[in-house]
Order: sequence, then C-alpha cells, then structure tokens
Amino acid sequence: SQTIHQWPATLVQPVGSPLSLECTVEGTSNPNLYWYRQAAGRGLQLLFYSVGIGQISSEVPQNLSASRPQDRQFILSSKKLLLSDSGFYLCAWRATPEGSIYGYTFGSGTRLTVV
Amino acid sequence: GDSVTQMEGPVTLSEEAFLTINCTYTATGYPSLFWYVQYPGEGLQLLLKATKADDKGSNKGFEATYRKETTSFHLEKGSVQVSDSAVYFCALSKGGQGNLIFGKGTKLSVKP
Repeated sequence: SQTIHQWPATLVQPVGSPLSLECTVEGTSNPNLYWYRQAAGRGLQLLFYSVGIGQISSEVPQNLSASRPQDRQFILSSKKLLLSDSGFYLCAWRATPEGSIYGYTFGSGTRLTVV
Repeated sequence: GDSVTQMEGPVTLSEEAFLTINCTYTATGYPSLFWYVQYPGEGLQLLLKATKADDKGSNKGFEATYRKETTSFHLEKGSVQVSDSAVYFCALSKGGQGNLIFGKGTKLSVKP
C-alpha cells in the first residue's frame, strides 16, 4: 500500500535561518507531488507541484523553493525565512494520470513557526 | 477558470443536529468532486468522492450527490457528533494533469 511521510512534525526557526522540509512517498512510482501551505485560520495555498524528477512548477512567487531529486522525494526549502513563512505545510501525492479521479493523499503536515 | 465555492463558516451545531455544508463549482467538462476533512492539527483526509453526474459519495454517515444541473456537491449528515468537529474542504479535479482545486474550507464545531 502507498504511504506518505512528512517531517518534521513541528519546527521553530528564527527569522533569516534556512529551511528544509522533506516528503517521501512509498508504494508507488512517478507520482505527482504537491506542497501546500495553510496559514492560521485560512484555506490551502498551492505552492509547488511536480510531475517528475527535476520538474517543478511554482504557483506563487515567494521566498520558498522546491526540488525533486528522486522520483518519490519532494523537498521544500528556503535560504532565509521570513515571519510570513509561518504556517502549516502539507505535502500530497496522487497517481498519474488516471489518479485525477482518486484525489490526493496528504501527509500529516509540518507546523512551522518563524520567530 | 475553474473554481469551488463553499459556504462561509464557522458552522456551530449541537450534537445530533442535521448538517449541510454547501459547495458549488464552476468548471468546463466533467470534473470529479471531493470532500476532504481536516481534524485539528492534522493533514487532510479524503472523506468521499463522486466521479460523474448523479453519483452519491458516502462515508462515516456523510453523503454528497454530484448535481450537474445545479453544479453542486453539498455535504450532509443526518446526526453530527462532537468528533465531527473539523474543517471540511470541497474540491474538484479534472482529467489528465489537472490539479485539485479547493474551496476555502468550512469550520464545523459540534457542541455536546
């Protein structure tokens, strides 16, 4: 069966420090991968998605970047965190292309607080 | 472009009350429709889905029917419990590489 792992679960980082959040998927190959952010009390904002190794699409220009060094690994990074980067970060995957009828499977999320 | 509109929250109900959360969509073609639930501090879980007109998705006592004529996918439950307190997201997906498009979410609080 397919599983998705996301870590760390919580993170407190000072302003200006770097960030690296990792997401891995098991039990599937060539998934579409997604990074979402959810600010406190607000909806989901799609940050990046990837349809293959090294292929990254950015939905919102900002202080963050994403990379996909392996088929089932998706990394969210920042060189210098801002206070506004605080939020709940969610990784998700779906099978391709027929997976559009099955929706996404989400990880358990990372709560990032920038202080 | 394609979009999903949900009723504004928060919604506060007493235990055993009837729940309806409205969701309407705008999309060309024949999207698949989904309801996701997010419990406090957790990621999103797929609650139910429907892939064509008149399909009814159901799970854990929740139901939603894909109504193409009214472009709606309203979530209903006959008797809510305190444990149903969560944020509910309606979403649509189209074929191929189309990404999921989410509504803004509706927070439900159920009081004992």
